[in-house]
Amino acid sequence: GDSVTQMEGPVTLSEEAFLTINCTYTATGYPSLFWYVQYPGEGLQLLLKATKADDKGSNKGFEATYRKETTSFHLEKGSVQVSDSAVYFCALPYTGGFKTIFGAGTRLFVKA
Amino acid sequence: NAGVTQTPKFQVLKTGQSMTLQCAQDMNHNSMYWYRQDPGMGLRLIYYSASEGTTDKGEVPNGYNVSRLNKREFSLRLESAAPSQTSVYFCASYEDRNTEAFFGQGTRLTVV
Repeated sequence: GDSVTQMEGPVTLSEEAFLTINCTYTATGYPSLFWYVQYPGEGLQLLLKATKADDKGSNKGFEATYRKETTSFHLEKGSVQVSDSAVYFCALPYTGGFKTIFGAGTRLFVKA
Repeated sequence: NAGVTQTPKFQVLKTGQSMTLQCAQDMNHNSMYWYRQDPGMGLRLIYYSASEGTTDKGEVPNGYNVSRLNKREFSLRLESAAPSQTSVYFCASYEDRNTEAFFGQGTRLTVV
């Protein structure tokens, strides 16, 4: 069945470091892929998305490319800030029905 | 544009008490969902409503009931609260399953 696997956290980085959070998926067909971000005390909000293979989603300096060959959608940012400290979730729509499959979430801490 | 509004934001219940969590969206979305989020557990789907007039169980429906009151509102009821239901509850809505989810701010429920 459909699934999402993302790297376990927490990830701790210094400000201005490079960030990669790995996400791989299993799905029937080629669904849209999403990254959500959850700041402390808040609900999830969409960070970026890609709707087809080779698409690159980007927002707030974050990027992720939909890789069909490696079934991956890794999240990257060239220079993280303290304000990027949050939990990041990779997600895809369940192709068998009306649900979204979320990864377990990766907590990011950025130190000044 | 309010998006998804959840009430209450915080609640403390005694074991055995009942309560209803309210959720309303103003985006004319068809699908609405209830999730719970526990430390280290990510998001787990409790119930969802793919369209007005339908509801379906998710991964962890036991101890909960839902009502899709109209297209805007989707409530979650705990008939007899248990300490295991201490969690943060999120409501979300989607235009359709291939689009992004819009989340409420969450309800932090403690059952003592």
